[in-house]
Amino acid sequence: LAKTTQPISMDSYEGQEVNITCSHNNIATNDYITWYQQFPSQGPRFIIQGYKTKVTNEVASLFIPADRKSSTLSLPRVSLSDTAVYYCLVSRDTGRRALTFGSGTRLQVQP
Amino acid sequence: EPEVTQTPSHQVTQMGQEVILRCVPISNHLYFYWYRQILGQKVEFLVSFYNNEISEKSEIFDDQFSVERPDGSNFTLKIRSTKLEDSAMYFCASRTGLAGGPDTQYFGPGTRLTVL
Repeated sequence: LAKTTQPISMDSYEGQEVNITCSHNNIATNDYITWYQQFPSQGPRFIIQGYKTKVTNEVASLFIPADRKSSTLSLPRVSLSDTAVYYCLVSRDTGRRALTFGSGTRLQVQP
Repeated sequence: EPEVTQTPSHQVTQMGQEVILRCVPISNHLYFYWYRQILGQKVEFLVSFYNNEISEKSEIFDDQFSVERPDGSNFTLKIRSTKLEDSAMYFCASRTGLAGGPDTQYFGPGTRLTVL
């Protein structure tokens, strides 16, 4: 599976839009990009998943350029409760399904 | 919204004891997983389970570990003789297994295992 690289940490303030970019240069044709959120001592929570272009749900947007070598998770108007670790994962739609988590991006939202 | 549940939320045991961690996956899901996260470290895959058998396991999942689906709803992880280094959060996950396209794994809240 493609290795992912994302910033170790980010800081933001309440009400701001936060964009977390993940690079996955070796992404394969069958791979999807999935983002999870994890609060301390809790299980990872699925946020959003996409294959190309843009995906939006009630929580976030995911932007994937045409070459798919990177993706950007966009969180609109963050609040203190969005303080968490965010993981970018590349996952196959067939075959091996075990998820490989990296270190993620620790987002700290300040008042 | 359906969710994965896990019990107990916290388990304390003595080194060498057997523990069983329990999970109830989302009801129409067909694939089940166990992951663990040692404090301050990454979430690591342990094992996947489908159609009443292990479909994949990591090098962490040695002979001390076993999984079982004893009935139509529960999915268990057993550690036969716990070691200090087994102390971690253990997460169960499940997915539908529908053919075609992406398939999302949904995680439970975890069981914190403390081995003394």
